[in-house]
Amino acid sequence: SQKIEQNSEALNIQEGKTATLTCNYTNYSPAYLQWYRQDPGRGPVFLLLIRENEKEKRKERLKVTFDTTLKQSLFHITASQPADSATYLCALGSGGSYIPTFGRGTSLIVHP
Amino acid sequence: IAGITQAPTSQILAAGRRMTLRCTQDMRHNAMYWYRQDLGLGLRLIHYSNTAGTTGKGEVPDGYSVSRANTDDFPLTLASAVPSQTSVYFCASSDAAGELFFGEGSRLTVL
Repeated sequence: SQKIEQNSEALNIQEGKTATLTCNYTNYSPAYLQWYRQDPGRGPVFLLLIRENEKEKRKERLKVTFDTTLKQSLFHITASQPADSATYLCALGSGGSYIPTFGRGTSLIVHP
Repeated sequence: IAGITQAPTSQILAAGRRMTLRCTQDMRHNAMYWYRQDLGLGLRLIHYSNTAGTTGKGEVPDGYSVSRANTDDFPLTLASAVPSQTSVYFCASSDAAGELFFGEGSRLTVL
């Protein structure tokens, strides 16, 4: 069956360090992969989209990689700040419908 | 710019009652979605609509119905609520690029 895996344990890092979150998938042939940020009590907010033929995408302090051989995406936040503390969700779109399916998310906590 | 508006933001409901969660968008997006989010289970798709007049079932459609009479509105109805439908419900729409825009959620408690 199709599965999207994100680390269920919270990632704790010090301010200024690079945070790296992982999204692994099985039994998918995604056309694209997205990352969202979700704050407590709020709806998810779109951050980045990377397509199957792209290896890397950047936006300000954010970088996403997409390795279709390893079936993995890495999401990096450089020079992390306490304001980056949130839950980060990955989502895959595949097949004809392109409706994204979400992972369970990983909580990031950046300590001052 | 409102984006996606959901109502109510929170509701406590007796089991067996009928409930409609409202969702309105002002971005003229063709596609709209309803997800539920439960602790430990993440976001799961309930129903979707690719365009006005069409709807489809997602991963967990049982006990829910939707309609899409026009582009802007996509209400979700629980015909007879059960406690397992206690959840946070998110409505979303997407543009041609595939980016989803979410509302702030409707927190529903069924007793």
